[in-house]
Amino acid sequence: GEEVAQTPKHLVRGEGQKAKLYCAPIKGHSYVFWYQQVLKNEFKFLISFQNENVFDETGMPKERFSAKCLPNSPCSLEIQATKLEDSAVYFCASTRPRNTEAFFGQGTRLTVV
Amino acid sequence: AQKITQTQPGMFVQEKEAVTLDCTYDTSDPSYGLFWYKQPSSGEMIFLIYQGSYDQQNATEGRYSLNFQKARKSANLVISASQLGDSAMYFCAMRASGTGNQFYFGTGTSLTVIP
Repeated sequence: GEEVAQTPKHLVRGEGQKAKLYCAPIKGHSYVFWYQQVLKNEFKFLISFQNENVFDETGMPKERFSAKCLPNSPCSLEIQATKLEDSAVYFCASTRPRNTEAFFGQGTRLTVV
Repeated sequence: AQKITQTQPGMFVQEKEAVTLDCTYDTSDPSYGLFWYKQPSSGEMIFLIYQGSYDQQNATEGRYSLNFQKARKSANLVISASQLGDSAMYFCAMRASGTGNQFYFGTGTSLTVIP
């Protein structure tokens, strides 16, 4: 169906633990974006993919964050050694190559304790 | 630099009335798209409407319309016949093809529909 599927919906990790988030884009959408919503009104761009290739990773804190989009698998965003400030809602979005519409997943709420 | 500005942190509207949520943008890229999303208290981001920079007509989707004024760089969202379920945060976003294709978001407007 026409839905970006993000799992899990909620994730709780102790400080220093690893967190892995998943995103299945809509079929036929070749661009995938990851965003972090920390405050209720602020979206921080992390990374984008064009198919399985990194398109833009200027927003990624590279020392602890990594992401992949492999063929026939959901995309993933992994945070090594989570910190309290990583607590946020992480959204994935997918689009077709041309600007027309872009759909977001339900988000994954990560809480680091 | 790309920038989206939403100057109304909060808005109130009477049920069944129309409301306009403001959005201005800044880009030097001639090709860009403008998007509006609704984020209810449950947290999901719901796509509402899209306007391309080369589109001649204003976009409409049901009760939503986009008042696109290219020379003023504004892309205001108009919601007609407001319903209680329209109470939510509304985000304006822009995606320009020359800047890595990422979305730039405004800070949102919180809309409350009063019965």
